[in-house]
Amino acid sequence: AQSVTQPDIHITVSEGASLELRCNYSYGATPYLFWYVQSPGQGLQLLLKYFSGDTLVQGIKGFEAEFKRSQSSFNLRKPSVHWSDAAEYFCAVGGYNKLIFGAGTRLAVHP
Amino acid sequence: DVKVTQSSRYLVKRTGEKVFLECVQDMDHENMFWYRQDPGLGLRLIYFSYDVKMKEKGDIPEGYSVSREKKERFSLILESASTNQTSMYLCASSSHLAGDTDTQYFGPGTRLTVL
Repeated sequence: AQSVTQPDIHITVSEGASLELRCNYSYGATPYLFWYVQSPGQGLQLLLKYFSGDTLVQGIKGFEAEFKRSQSSFNLRKPSVHWSDAAEYFCAVGGYNKLIFGAGTRLAVHP
Repeated sequence: DVKVTQSSRYLVKRTGEKVFLECVQDMDHENMFWYRQDPGLGLRLIYFSYDVKMKEKGDIPEGYSVSREKKERFSLILESASTNQTSMYLCASSSHLAGDTDTQYFGPGTRLTVL
């Protein structure tokens, strides 16, 4: 069955620290992979996506993600977190015009 | 930029009422989706549509119906609202274009409370 797992429900980091949010997926074919961010009370905004090619993908707001087929992972990273990055982050896997979302990771940023 | 709008940001209804949630996209996208979002459960797909007058059930269609009479508009209908339908509802759209398949663009959401 197709699924997405985000193992961390909550993560707290200090401003300026590095960040890695984990995402593992189960999918029968080569997946399309996405990271979205949701600020409080808002809809989801696309951060980045992987369809094919270079396995390191750059996104908006200084985020990047790396596709590792052998580990079925698509982890999101940022070298230095800003207070405005506090939000909920969703990983999703897609194909056949539909997306399957993980349960989300809520990021808190300490000053 | 893709713009997806939803008719209300906040809505309060009573049990048993018929509720309409409207979604409009301005990018001529073929696909449109309705999700509900609950804490700890992520986004769950209620219904989606590949084209005008076409609809398919998602993972949790019970208690909901949809209507797509025009390409840009996708409506979610709660025939008889119940308290367990209190949730955040998100609409999204996507294109069939090669290279952008499956990239969904979301509206701001409607927070529905059923009393």
